[in-house]
Amino acid sequence: KQEVTQIPAALSVPEGENLVLNCSFTDSAIYNLQWFRQDPGKGLTSLLLIQSSQREQTSGRLNASLDKSSGRSTLYIAASQPGDSATYLCAVGAQKLVFGQGTRLTINP
Amino acid sequence: NAGVMQNPRHLVRRRGQEARLRCSPMKGHSHVYWYRQLPEEGLKFMVYLQKENIIDESGMPKERFSAEFPKEGPSILRIQQVVRGDSAAYFCASSPPGTEDEKLFFGSGTQLSVL
Repeated sequence: KQEVTQIPAALSVPEGENLVLNCSFTDSAIYNLQWFRQDPGKGLTSLLLIQSSQREQTSGRLNASLDKSSGRSTLYIAASQPGDSATYLCAVGAQKLVFGQGTRLTINP
Repeated sequence: NAGVMQNPRHLVRRRGQEARLRCSPMKGHSHVYWYRQLPEEGLKFMVYLQKENIIDESGMPKERFSAEFPKEGPSILRIQQVVRGDSAAYFCASSPPGTEDEKLFFGSGTQLSVL
């Protein structure tokens, strides 16, 4: 049974810092890995999708990497801004996604 | 192109009543998924539907819960005889046909509160 863990559960950093969010999964036979952003009272916004054959994806200030052999993914956020404050979720699978518990990120002005 | 539309945004029911949650997928999407987020827990898969077919309902509770995606109209998640433990955020997602490697697009969710 696939399990996804995200560390840390919460993170607070000053504006402008670069930061890394971590995601680990127990079964390396994954299809895709996605990173989502969830704002309070709102739905999920897909940030990056890494297919199982890929090692990383980039979008603007975001970079996600995938290491299937070690069962890990990282989401790197460069030059953080207060607007980046949200909960970040990692999920593995295709249609039937298995989610981590999320990292609640706060960027302090 | 409107996103995934869910309604209502908030639904309050008393114990024993029925709850109906609706989801209209993005235009051109024929795959619908329902997920549930219990308080202080992560999102959990419930069911995957295509038009008029349930593809995978392995995450659905065995009793009181049902889902449909008719040929016309939105997908419906139905919870009969609700209990307090059903209080959660229910999210719907959609994707185009034949796109196992594509992103899922999520709606804003329905917050169900059972009194």
